[in-house]
Amino acid sequence: DTGVSQDPRHKITKRGQNVTFRCDPISEHNRLYWYRQTLGQGPEFLTYFQNEAQLEKSRLLSDRFSAERPKGSFSTLEIQRTEQGDSAMYLCASSLLFFGPGTRLTVL
Amino acid sequence: GIQVEQSPPDLILQEGANSTLRCNFSDSVNNLQWFHQNPWGQLINLFYIPSGTKQNGRLSATTVATERYSLLYISSSQTTDSGVYFCAVEGLETSGSRLTFGEGTQLTVNP
Repeated sequence: DTGVSQDPRHKITKRGQNVTFRCDPISEHNRLYWYRQTLGQGPEFLTYFQNEAQLEKSRLLSDRFSAERPKGSFSTLEIQRTEQGDSAMYLCASSLLFFGPGTRLTVL
Repeated sequence: GIQVEQSPPDLILQEGANSTLRCNFSDSVNNLQWFHQNPWGQLINLFYIPSGTKQNGRLSATTVATERYSLLYISSSQTTDSGVYFCAVEGLETSGSRLTFGEGTQLTVNP
């Protein structure tokens, strides 16, 4: 257990539905990162927060994706109008050292 | 952006064997880490090693920053070492903002 939790661990949804994932980082860490990992690949950076401010977004983060970190604590990642290509493991990291267990998304 | 290449892509060992995994990167880095991803997807940091050599039990790592490569050594491998090993770097231009991962080495240790 790295101290970073993610919920849900698995999500199956139909194409076109919206989904939201949650990440609870280690409490004293200011920086929180979201990554996406597809089968057979390394994790790819999506976005990161310094406290509540979203400081950088990858080009991978289309306008269907939105992330928030209200009050600089937990973070949510929402995907609107899901597509089959969104199927992946979504990983949250607290600082650059501690990763959560991930949320595995399957879009049917 | 910075490129990270890992080799070999796949490695199969008998329990007790030693192995060396390599990571090459294309530019100067502020940070280099080795991770192990277990079959359930959990990433665990093994080493933070932007330069020099570190050892932790049966694992050790060496980074030669001037030559832009890092090596991860696993000695007396055990079945629990199976999984994917990732090298991840933080380039100077993205310092503090992200890690760039390689594609990993899939290690299988057979009993």
